[in-house]
Amino acid sequence: QVRLQESGPGLVKPWETLSLTCSVSGRPITSTECWGWIRHSPGQGLEWIVGFYHRGRTYYNQSLKSRVTVSADTSKNQFSLRLTYMTAADAAVYYCARSKEGHLEGAYDIWGQGTIVTVSS
Amino acid sequence: DIQLTQSPSSLSASVGDRVTISCRASQTVSSSLHWYQQKPGKAPTLLMCDGSTLESGVPSRFSGSGSGTEFTLAISSLQPEDFAVYYCQQTYSTPFTFGQGTKLEI
Repeated sequence: QVRLQESGPGLVKPWETLSLTCSVSGRPITSTECWGWIRHSPGQGLEWIVGFYHRGRTYYNQSLKSRVTVSADTSKNQFSLRLTYMTAADAAVYYCARSKEGHLEGAYDIWGQGTIVTVSS
Repeated sequence: DIQLTQSPSSLSASVGDRVTISCRASQTVSSSLHWYQQKPGKAPTLLMCDGSTLESGVPSRFSGSGSGTEFTLAISSLQPEDFAVYYCQQTYSTPFTFGQGTKLEI
């Protein structure tokens, strides 16, 4: 059974960089899966950030692309999100998730529990 | 970006009622429309994918229909655990987008 768990700082200062990690259990991230990051805030609702194949392309929300980096650590079976120049508008619950059936266009059938990120000095 | 508009935004109902939630897309999403349920403090859970395919383990009182720009989620005979917020999502084209949510409450 595949499980995802996000981790990272709960508090980030304005203009700093957010780094979040998604730890995957039950499935190697090097498999033919497609992973994603989504965030949820009261102001923006649910917002898709990025989707990527470990062995293929990365697809970004163009509104965030210039600030987003995704990477993977296969030795730890984790993948990560970096979001630069954080502002109050980026405060949200951040989720990692898996696309169903290994397709970017698949629904997200497995989600982490989410991690709350606050932006404040 | 494809905009998804859900209606109603909130809905009051009782146990045993049948309810429907609508999701309208600003342009066609073919059948790439999915439904999620979210309870307070929890991540969304997938109910229905591709418009009408019930996710494994989801009760059969949930059903979905539609294609193109108009979609509906129906819940027959509401149960206490169904009171939650429901979201639609399109994965037809990036950026994938979500509806604003429908809060189903007693």
